[in-house]
Amino acid sequence: DQQVKQNSPSLSVQEGRISILNCDYTNSMFDYFLWYKKYPAEGPTFLISISSIKDKNEDGRFTVFLNKSAKHLSLHIVPSQPGDSAVYFCAAWGSGNQFYFGTGTSLTVIP
Amino acid sequence: DARVTQTPRHKVTEMGQEVTMRCQPILGHNTVFWYRQTMMQGLELLAYFRNRAPLDDSGMPKDRFSAEMPDATLATLKIQPSEPRDSAVYFCASGSPGHIQETQYFGPGTRLLVL
Repeated sequence: DQQVKQNSPSLSVQEGRISILNCDYTNSMFDYFLWYKKYPAEGPTFLISISSIKDKNEDGRFTVFLNKSAKHLSLHIVPSQPGDSAVYFCAAWGSGNQFYFGTGTSLTVIP
Repeated sequence: DARVTQTPRHKVTEMGQEVTMRCQPILGHNTVFWYRQTMMQGLELLAYFRNRAPLDDSGMPKDRFSAEMPDATLATLKIQPSEPRDSAVYFCASGSPGHIQETQYFGPGTRLLVL
């Protein structure tokens, strides 16, 4: 069973616009969330994270929002750039050192 | 520029053969993770180690997979015997000292094809 879900396998956005990537999770005990970006033929690279005690974390063009009651996580990229085109994975840590990745969303930023 | 290295980068083998994948974590990192990426399942955590001791290998098929850390600079993932359904990209990641939720740094992956 998939405990971290990214229901949109792909997303296309115009350059300069906002990209919103969504992630849902099932386990209310998850307490730390991360987003990773992955280019083809490379390993994922860390992008941004958020602890469950917060509802927002911002780093430059990237902002992660956490809605614990809805068990929902989102990544906003503003403004989107062609170099942001990649697969984005959300991931979550739970108690007992459980760790789960989502299935990924492929973002294409159109110049 | 410290990075995680993985060898081999590509491996083609026949069903039934043993496959060994190696990972060199970033020097000083004490947590090592093994992942498998497939089209259907995305990134699956197979196992991870902290200070060379296995913390969780519940994601790993025990009958054919084994993971070890012979020393702090080498982690291995072995499949014996390999099967076509093991075809995937296998990633190793290492984490910096501190709480286990620290950022993971991924290697480039080993692309395995079992015929």
